[in-house]
Amino acid sequence: GAGVSQTPSNKVTEKGKYVELRCDPISGHTALYWYRQSLGQGPEFLIYFQGTGAADDSGLPNDRFFAVRPEGSVSTLKIQRTERGDSAVYLCASSSGQGGYNEQFFGPGTRLTVL
Amino acid sequence: GEDVEQSLFLSVREGDSSVINCTYTDSSSTYLYWYKQEPGAGLQLLTYIFSNMDMKQDQRLTVLLNKKDKHLSLRIADTQTGDSAIYFCAVESGGSYIPTFGRGTSLIVHP
Repeated sequence: GAGVSQTPSNKVTEKGKYVELRCDPISGHTALYWYRQSLGQGPEFLIYFQGTGAADDSGLPNDRFFAVRPEGSVSTLKIQRTERGDSAVYLCASSSGQGGYNEQFFGPGTRLTVL
Repeated sequence: GEDVEQSLFLSVREGDSSVINCTYTDSSSTYLYWYKQEPGAGLQLLTYIFSNMDMKQDQRLTVLLNKKDKHLSLRIADTQTGDSAIYFCAVESGGSYIPTFGRGTSLIVHP
């Protein structure tokens, strides 16, 4: 079956521009996560959805970052007025959101470069 | 918040055992995970351990948990070149469903 997919795989933009990154989770997974991974670092939590609602957005660095999941499936991470410091790989993961342990299935990521 | 630390590099010879170590700070941690990341691919869950366990074995993988010292380790027996990757320790606390990841340990396996 299909895993988590993310588009685009690479995005190059100029400082100050707006970007949207898309995540298609595994069908039926109710939980969806966005992380940011800088070079040499582990994934850094941004936001977690349970269904359509953001259950925890405490990792969003500032109000330039916003994410939606309107139908409880596909999610879009939106970054306004991009800065060079936003350059990183943005990872999406989904999980069934049930049971004890929380196995997250990760997509390959979107590499964002802000010039 | 939780802080998770790992050594950055480990180099082993093919056929030897590899031990990757991780320390964490939150004593209320419930689930502890090991993920593997190969170049150009997403993270993949290798194994996990619940906080009421000391050890878990899964084929070539052995996870040891020392709750008193807040220390987690992953042992890979008979390490192969295909095991070369970055290994991330991740720790989840008190039903939060949000794990904190370490910086990753880059495992290099040479013939």
